Amino acid sequence: AQTVTQSQPEMSVQEAETVTLSCTYDTSENNYYLFWYKQPPSRQMILVIRQEAYKQQNATENRFSVNFQKAAKSFSLKISDSQLGDTAMYFCAFMKLPGGGNKLTFGTGTQLKVEL
Amino acid sequence: KAGVTQTPRYLIKTRGQQVTLSCSPISGHRSVSWYQQTPGQGLQFLFEYFSETQRNKGNFPGRFSGRQFSNSRSEMNVSTLELGDSALYLCASSYHSGQGAQNTEAFFGQGTRLTVV
Repeated sequence: AQTVTQSQPEMSVQEAETVTLSCTYDTSENNYYLFWYKQPPSRQMILVIRQEAYKQQNATENRFSVNFQKAAKSFSLKISDSQLGDTAMYFCAFMKLPGGGNKLTFGTGTQLKVEL
Repeated sequence: KAGVTQTPRYLIKTRGQQVTLSCSPISGHRSVSWYQQTPGQGLQFLFEYFSETQRNKGNFPGRFSGRQFSNSRSEMNVSTLELGDSALYLCASSYHSGQGAQNTEAFFGQGTRLTVV
């Protein structure tokens, strides 16, 4: 079974600053996907970024990037130039591949607040 | 393209009753997954359906059940409701089967907020 751990329940950052959210996971699988999802107050889960385990290059999506350390089983999210709209709960998630059947295992989340 | 639609958005039920929640996936998506979100337990996987077949099931009692129809719409049912079943129930749909190495993404609905009193 896989586990995902987010050790920062809450974080805050000033607008335009950079913040890094941590995530570690435990698995015996060699191939998998890792995701960061954002859940704003509207409660709709939105995919922020995704990383395939077999790709060594870290994924980047505009202001969002990850630091994927497979050996250390670490998957952190860096948000650059933070904006007020980034205020949300952020969840790290794991999906086994192949054969994962779209099942996501989530961490407990980090509540990020972007302040003026 | 319409997103994932969950109905109803809010529901209040009495302990002991049963409830049915509905999820309409994005057109063309054949995989539907259900999650329960509570402050205490976080996001927990309930089950996943693909082409009307349940492929994965989480660690929930038999009171929780689901099904998927030929048009990929899915329903989940909770019988004999308990206070602890109060939660946000999220549905997610995916295009790929999740069995291969395709570039997969789960799209979530806005959830159904169930309150058991």
